[in-house]
Amino acid sequence: GAVVSQHPSWVICKSGTSVKIECRSLDFQATTMFWYRQFPKQSLMLMATSNEGSKATYEQGVEKDKFLINHASLTLSTLTVTSAHPEDSSFYICSARDWLLQETQYFGPGTRLLVL
Amino acid sequence: QKEVEQDPGPLSVPEGAIVSLNCTYSNSAFQYFMWYRQYSRKGPELLMYTYSSGNKEDGRFTAQVDKSSKYISLFIRDSQPSDSATYLCAMKGYSGGGADGLTFGKGTHLIIQP
Repeated sequence: GAVVSQHPSWVICKSGTSVKIECRSLDFQATTMFWYRQFPKQSLMLMATSNEGSKATYEQGVEKDKFLINHASLTLSTLTVTSAHPEDSSFYICSARDWLLQETQYFGPGTRLLVL
Repeated sequence: QKEVEQDPGPLSVPEGAIVSLNCTYSNSAFQYFMWYRQYSRKGPELLMYTYSSGNKEDGRFTAQVDKSSKYISLFIRDSQPSDSATYLCAMKGYSGGGADGLTFGKGTHLIIQP
């Protein structure tokens, strides 16, 4: 149980284009999902918290107009990187919190984004 | 000072040895502590989750929390080459207080030598 999927697993795009990443909880309902970013040899950094049916909460320094988050259902959250630039290249990982086990988070496999 | 300090390693030990991984933290609001294992280019996998000070055991893994010292540990017994990975400590405060996301350590790269 507690499986979280992400799609796509990797994406290469040209500078200026937008990229959408999906995060799904496969066998549990997730009222809250989180988006993290990880640069090489660095730790995971929380970008935003996504609650089903409401606006996302962004961490300080994360541009909400650049990283659009939509949590349309209890099993799906999407992160759209708008007008991507090379400095946005990173490993984006989502996690989902099981509404029954509020303090644990299960992570997706991550999406590697390369902006040329 | 970073909120969570973790030695990035690499830590190299022979197969069968007991591995000790540690993190220290400065934020006394942290109440929940987790250990994740991350293989290269993969998402983190939850290994252990603890709340109280003391020890929690699950198979070959033992998580230890000392809230008074703000120090947590993960012990791996009978280490195997397949345990080679990066181990991340993570922690958070109480839910609903606006701090629901996890704060991670940098991760310790562990190598188990056959």
